[in-house]
Amino acid sequence: AQSVAQPEDQVNVAEGNPLTVKCTYSVSGNPYLFWYVQYPNRGLQFLLKYITGDNLVKGSYGFEAEFNKSQTSFHLKKPSALVSDSALYFCAVRDVGTGTASKLTFGTGTRLQVTL
Amino acid sequence: GAVVSQHPSRVICKSGTSVKIECRSLDFQATTMFWYRQFPKQSLMLMATSNEGSKATYEQGVEKDKFLINHASLTLSTLTVTSAHPEDSSFYICSARRDRGTYGYTFGSGTRLTVV
Repeated sequence: AQSVAQPEDQVNVAEGNPLTVKCTYSVSGNPYLFWYVQYPNRGLQFLLKYITGDNLVKGSYGFEAEFNKSQTSFHLKKPSALVSDSALYFCAVRDVGTGTASKLTFGTGTRLQVTL
Repeated sequence: GAVVSQHPSRVICKSGTSVKIECRSLDFQATTMFWYRQFPKQSLMLMATSNEGSKATYEQGVEKDKFLINHASLTLSTLTVTSAHPEDSSFYICSARRDRGTYGYTFGSGTRLTVV
């Protein structure tokens, strides 16, 4: 079974400060890891993914995430937050070995609030 | 880039009627599509996985006869909520997986269903 934990329901940060949204995962094999962002009453927008290779993954809108296998973590980061980054962020995992119909398992989401 | 169109974005229906939600992949063939349900301030709950030309695979606890899924072509999957009741009111999101090699999951913009 695969699972994702996002330990923080909400993260508050001032505009211009760095932000981190935490994510840890559990899979039986190697993971594919994803971050998505959701704005109110909208679907999910893809930010970035880790499949293989460099542990530091750069994605859309200046976001990046670092894959840490020993800590089974994939925290989302941005050096300088913007008010427009305020949204709901989801981490997701898929087990590499689960085939072409494999499904994503999502964390519970973290609401990011960026204030002036 | 990959685009998934979900329609309608909002629907209000009377209790006891049926509602159909469409999910189309506009610029790629989606061999697999996923249907999620999202309750307010909660994560996405996978309802079912549909593969083109075959029966959908439902997650445990999801009523097959209530949530009918059809994946008739490589670009279209539909979710029909039959005999809708107020407790079916929710945000429904579809996702399409591209063919092998891309590891990408593209999400529709969601459908807000309100049953009155």
